[in-house]
Amino acid sequence: QVQLQESGPGLVKPSETLSLTCTVSGGSISSYYWSWIRQPPGKGLEWIGYISNSGSTNYNPSLRSRVTISIDTSKSQFSLKLSSVTAADTAVYYCARQGPSGRTLDYWGQGALVTVSS
Amino acid sequence: DIQMTQSPSSVSASVGDRVTITCRASQGISTWLAWYQQNPGKAPKLLIYAASTLQNGVPSRFSGSGSGTDFTLTISSLQPEDFATYYCQQANSFPRTFGQGTKVEVK
Repeated sequence: QVQLQESGPGLVKPSETLSLTCTVSGGSISSYYWSWIRQPPGKGLEWIGYISNSGSTNYNPSLRSRVTISIDTSKSQFSLKLSSVTAADTAVYYCARQGPSGRTLDYWGQGALVTVSS
Repeated sequence: DIQMTQSPSSVSASVGDRVTITCRASQGISTWLAWYQQNPGKAPKLLIYAASTLQNGVPSRFSGSGSGTDFTLTISSLQPEDFATYYCQQANSFPRTFGQGTKVEVK
């Protein structure tokens, strides 16, 4: 059974960089594409972007100037960096696996709440 | 970006009821639509993909239909564990976008 686990600071100061890592277990990170999604408290879901097993990326244009997703296949991890954060970036951040067709998110991490506050 | 609009935003129902949720895309997406279920404090769970294909392990009381711009998620006989929020997501193009969610509440 594939499992994903987000990790990283739960509190980030305004203007700083949010950094999260997703560790994949129970399956090969090299066989799929991997995504980040976020959900502000009490609100809906926003797709942030994905990274392929070879490192190619696709980002949401609304965040593209501030987002970097990277992958370390040797550690079965992929990571999210979001720069110049504001309170509007406060959210639960989920990592997820793109399914075999590339068109679904079939396994999700439990989510990590990141609060932007001084 | 493709805008996804769900209706209703919430629905009150009882165990055993048939519940229908609709999702409309701002442009045609063929059958590239997925449905997710989210319980409070939990990650979303994939229910249906390609508009009508049930993900492994999902009960058969869930069904999906539609193509183009109009889609439907139906729960044929609501069970206690089905009270949750449901999201549609278009998978036709990037960026992927979600509907605003439909909360299924106890009547």
